[in-house]
Amino acid sequence: AQSVTQLGSHVSVSEGALVLLRCNYSSSVPPYLFWYVQYPNQGLQLLLKYTSAATLVKGINGFEAEFKKSETSFHLTKPSAHMSDAAEYFCAVSEAGGTSYGKLTFGQGTILTVHP
Amino acid sequence: GAVVSQHPSRVICKSGTSVKIECRSLDFQATTMFWYRQFPKKSLMLMATSNEGSKATYEQGVEKDKFLINHASLTLSTLTVTSAHPEDSSFYICSAGLFHSNEQFFGPGTRLTVL
Repeated sequence: AQSVTQLGSHVSVSEGALVLLRCNYSSSVPPYLFWYVQYPNQGLQLLLKYTSAATLVKGINGFEAEFKKSETSFHLTKPSAHMSDAAEYFCAVSEAGGTSYGKLTFGQGTILTVHP
Repeated sequence: GAVVSQHPSRVICKSGTSVKIECRSLDFQATTMFWYRQFPKKSLMLMATSNEGSKATYEQGVEKDKFLINHASLTLSTLTVTSAHPEDSSFYICSAGLFHSNEQFFGPGTRLTVL
């Protein structure tokens, strides 16, 4: 079984400030981890993914995330927020094998608001 | 590459009618497609997994006779909401993946409103 918890349903930052969105997971097998962004009334766009290679993963739009096995975390960060980063962000886990292979389990989402 | 489309993007229908939503992978062959439902201000809930040429696998609590899924080709899957009711109103999102791939490519979603 796998699950994802995103701490904080809403995060608000000022433009230019650090963005930190938290994600903790549980998985009975080595996980694949993903961060997606969703703009209103649109589908999901992949920001970045961890698939057991480098633990620090760089994605699009200046985002990155670090896989920490000891903490079962995969927090998303961006050094300097931009107004266009305002959106909802979802962390997701997929098992790297077994009967659930390929199935994504999503966290509840975090809405990021960026103030000028 | 890896573009997935959905049609229609929005649909409004009367209670009791059936609605079909199409999901297409435009530039790759998707051996597996997934259908999700997203309630307002909520996360995505996986409804079913469909593999080309075989029956869909539904998640617990999802009525297979209510939500008919067909995956007739490697580029097309359809979700039919039968005898729709207002509680079926939601945002439906599909995704497409490759066999033994860990990545899914998402469609833009379909907003269904049942009056």
